[in-house]
Amino acid sequence: AQKVTQAQTEISVVEKEDVTLDCVYETRDTTYYLFWYKQPPSGELVFLIRRNSFDEQNEISGRYSWNFQKSTSSFNFTITASQVVDSAVYFCALTSGSARQLTFGSGTQLTVLP
Amino acid sequence: DAGVIQSPRHEVTEMGQEVTLRCKPISGHNSLFWYRQTMMRGLELLIYFNNNVPIDDSGMPEDRFSAKMPNASFSTLKIQPSEPRDSAVYFCASTQTGGRVEQYFGPGTRLTVT
Repeated sequence: AQKVTQAQTEISVVEKEDVTLDCVYETRDTTYYLFWYKQPPSGELVFLIRRNSFDEQNEISGRYSWNFQKSTSSFNFTITASQVVDSAVYFCALTSGSARQLTFGSGTQLTVLP
Repeated sequence: DAGVIQSPRHEVTEMGQEVTLRCKPISGHNSLFWYRQTMMRGLELLIYFNNNVPIDDSGMPEDRFSAKMPNASFSTLKIQPSEPRDSAVYFCASTQTGGRVEQYFGPGTRLTVT
């Protein structure tokens, strides 16, 4: 069985603050993939990043960065200098072994105030 | 390139009526997924197809739900008869197996059953 936990239900920050969204996962497979998706108020699900279990290198894309740590089964997402447009629900997800279906966390509602 | 296309975007129907949701995956993708999103249960997988064949339908809530994929470019999710508790946003997603594993989601169909 696999599980994704996003303990932060809601986070509110003021524009230009940095914010980190936590994601903890569980799987018995040694090969797995982790993802982050963004769901803005318009409702669509937007793919942000994929990480495989063999690549623990952290990644930075503009104001976004991801910290993958197998030792703590975490895949955290940091937004630097947040903007109002970053306001959305962010989902962490996992697929492992031969499975193709995504297991989603419950999501974190991020609100960035002007 | 066109993304995943879903229709209709909104559907309002009365309890007992048949509802058919439609999805066109991204060209070249050979796996297709149907998800349902509700406040209570979050994002949950209903069924997924690989090369037009249903692989896992364990998430289909009951016999009132059925899904088909007659060819690589079209899938339907049918609810008959519909009930108020079926009200949710239904997402279709597609991906390529054997390569990148991130799923790309359609805009969703917001279903309201009164």
